Amino acid sequence: SQKIEQNSEALNIQEGKTATLTCNYTNYSPAYLQWYRQDPGRGPVFLLLIRENEKEKRKERLKVTFDTTLKQSLFHITASQPADSATYLCALAMNSGYSTLTFGKGTMLLVSP
Amino acid sequence: GAGVSQSPSNKVTEKGKDVELRCDPISGHTALYWYRQSLGQGLEFLIYFQGNSAPDKSGLPSDRFSAERTGGSVSTLTIQRTQQEDSAVYLCASSRTQTGIHEQFFGPGTRLTVL
Repeated sequence: SQKIEQNSEALNIQEGKTATLTCNYTNYSPAYLQWYRQDPGRGPVFLLLIRENEKEKRKERLKVTFDTTLKQSLFHITASQPADSATYLCALAMNSGYSTLTFGKGTMLLVSP
Repeated sequence: GAGVSQSPSNKVTEKGKDVELRCDPISGHTALYWYRQSLGQGLEFLIYFQGNSAPDKSGLPSDRFSAERTGGSVSTLTIQRTQQEDSAVYLCASSRTQTGIHEQFFGPGTRLTVL
């Protein structure tokens, strides 16, 4: 079965710096990968989706890369702000048709002013 | 418009009791998912509904867990004879279609505590 690894330790960075979060997976390459943000006591909120044939996707201060050779996705937040502090989850879907998402455990990001 | 809603927001029950958790998806969303999130753990898939198709129950951890979706809208997750290990946040999500390429919209969750 697919295994997803996200850094279990919290990432602490200074405001204004770029935060980089890692999502590694084993076994088969997913058809696509999604990133979600989760704040304490709330459900996850969708941020970005990247397909297996895409190398990079951007949305405002967010950037996601997808390297099927390394079996890794990187999630970047540029010019980070304290409001970006949250847990970030990556989720994989094995095919573009019917497919459930397999979620990682998430990485907590703390941005200090 | 209204998002996904869940009720109750918190539920405390005694071991051995049955509980029902409710999910109201976004209107028009044909796919509905239930997940469980334990402290420090990722989202664990439980069950998936798509239109009138048979649900995908592959994630249900035991036969004490069941779910229904009435009229293609509201869903109820039932846990019978609750155990302490059932304590978790139960999240519901909906999406526009069955192809998981679409984003999932999550509700706020129901925090279940089994004493």
